[in-house]
This record gives sequence, C-alpha cells and structure tokens, in this order.
Amino acid sequence: EPEVTQTPSHQVTQMGQEVILRCVPISNHLYFYWYRQILGQKVEFLVSFYNNEISEKSEIFDDQFSVERPDGSNFTLKIRSTKLEDSAMYFCASSRLAGGETQYFGPGTRLLVL
Amino acid sequence: GDSVTQMEGPVTLSEEAFLTINCTYTATGYPSLFWYVQYPGEGLQLLLKATKADDKGSNKGFEATYRKETTSFHLEKGSVQVSDSAVYFCALRTRNQGGSEKLVFGKGTKLTVNP
Repeated sequence: EPEVTQTPSHQVTQMGQEVILRCVPISNHLYFYWYRQILGQKVEFLVSFYNNEISEKSEIFDDQFSVERPDGSNFTLKIRSTKLEDSAMYFCASSRLAGGETQYFGPGTRLLVL
Repeated sequence: GDSVTQMEGPVTLSEEAFLTINCTYTATGYPSLFWYVQYPGEGLQLLLKATKADDKGSNKGFEATYRKETTSFHLEKGSVQVSDSAVYFCALRTRNQGGSEKLVFGKGTKLTVNP
C-alpha cells in the first residue's frame, strides 16, 4: 500500500541553524500539507501546497518557514533560523484531491533545537 | 475559529473493556469529522470518518456517530484489545473560501490496554 515517507526520523540542531525536513508524498497525490505537534500539545496545521504554490498557511508559518517541491517526488519544509520553540514533531500529509479526500500522513520527523 | 476538544488521557483499560473517548467540536457550517490513530513509532492513520450529521463511521470495531445537535463525535469500541494501545486524535476538516482544506486536531488521547 502506498505511504507517505519522511526523512530524517529525528534531527537535532543548534538554535539559529537551518533545517530541511523531507517528505515523499504518495505518488498520484496533488495536495501536500505540513503539520506539527509540540510535545503535549495539539497537532497544528502549518501549510498546504498545490500546483507549486501555497494554498493556505497558518499564523505559525512565518517568514522563517518555506516549502518547496523541488522535483516530482519530494516535498520539503525549510526552517531558516531555528528557535528553541520550533522543537516539535513535524508531520507531512498528502491527498489525491481536495473536496473531501482523505489526508494520508507520514510517520513524522522529531526536531529538537538546542 | 474552529476547534476540537477531546477527553484528556491517558486512558488505561483491561482487555475486553468498553472504550469511549469523548470528542466535541466548534465549527461554522458542517465539517467532516475524523478519528486518526497513531501507533507507537508510526504516523497518523485514518481510523474512521463521517461527513454529515447522523453518519456513523466504523472500522476495526471502532465506531463514532456525527451528532450535530451535541456537536460531538465520540469514539467507542465494545471490547478493546492490547493491540489497540495507541494515541487517538479527533479532527475536523475545514475549507476556506478559496477551497483550501486543512485538518483541525484535538490534543490526542493515549490509550493503554493491559492484558
């Protein structure tokens, strides 16, 4: 069964460093999402992406964040200058269409900023 | 804004016990409702969903009914197994005027089932 994959599974970085989290969505899916979960808190929407542009972004998704689909398979989340409060589990998701299609999630990347 | 509230965990049950995890929501309009499950070390998996009032979603012995009058979508299972130990997330799907969709999640409820 097709699945969303994410790399790395864990990442430790120093405050102020740039990180890139990678996702490979399901191959025939057209809509891509990033969510995050700070330990003990809710899973929060960050951004949705379709047709090579952002469809919607949350207040969390400020100028330090960016997303890209650099090729036909990868979908990346870049955090330009990490802060301690960026420590969280980051989930990628994809769906075939909008309009009621299920979002399929990856296993997540646990980011720790020191 | 739209939000989901689910019962605080953790929940610990013995095998074959009855499970209820409460979930209520606040939303404009009539969102689709979901339960996702996260097994240890894995991603979020869709467990069941309901797209309109009075719909019942079911899967793997779990059920939840979309109750518009109480704005609830409680998860139930008649007899839990050790393999049901996981974190359960209630969520709703919203759509903005531009047609973009996103999921709004509750905090998650950790279930542990003991043999």
